Amino acid sequence: ELKVEQNPLFLSMQEGKNYTIYCNYSTTSDRLYWYRQDPGKSLESLFVLLSNGAVKQEGRLMASLDTKARLSTLHITAAVHDLSATYFCAVDRRTGNQFYFGTGTSLTVIP
Amino acid sequence: NAGVTQTPKFRILKIGQSMTLQCTQDMNHNYMYWYRQDPGMGLKLIYYSVGAGITDKGEVPNGYNVSRSTTEDFPLRLELAAPSQTSVYFCASSYSLGQGAKLSGYTFGSGTRLTVV
Repeated sequence: ELKVEQNPLFLSMQEGKNYTIYCNYSTTSDRLYWYRQDPGKSLESLFVLLSNGAVKQEGRLMASLDTKARLSTLHITAAVHDLSATYFCAVDRRTGNQFYFGTGTSLTVIP
Repeated sequence: NAGVTQTPKFRILKIGQSMTLQCTQDMNHNYMYWYRQDPGMGLKLIYYSVGAGITDKGEVPNGYNVSRSTTEDFPLRLELAAPSQTSVYFCASSYSLGQGAKLSGYTFGSGTRLTVV
């Protein structure tokens, strides 16, 4: 069974600080996705990482992928309150295009 | 461009009742999915489809049925609602490798919040 683990599950941080969310997965995959979910809302695609060493940045968020370590990170730089949300990573097998989601990291940025 | 449209947004069912959650996409995606999200949890795959006429079970299919008669529509049916099916249901769609498009991940609908009492 493919497992996707995120840590931390809950993160409370002050505005202006930096932090990293980790996503580990248990099977060979070279595609990883990050999503954001605001309370009561749907999931919004943030990043699509398609190869080993891929790095993508959007504003204060940067995602990277190390397929050999089966690890992706989502780095937050100088957090602002608007980044408060739950962040999910998802991995797919190489066949079937079926995604497996992590349990999510609930981020609260405190002013 | 509407993307993925789910209806209804909210529904309360009594135990034993049946209902169909509707999902339509207008992006010509081959692949469609149904997930459920329980409070404070990640998403669990219920069923998925790789094209019209083809469906397959995910991690938690018991108590649900699906059909895929067209590329656009992928309804989810609950036959005998149980309290354990109280959840938020998300429909999603995606390109497949065969469509030759950039792998852009899933596009999600806005969700259906279902309560079974």
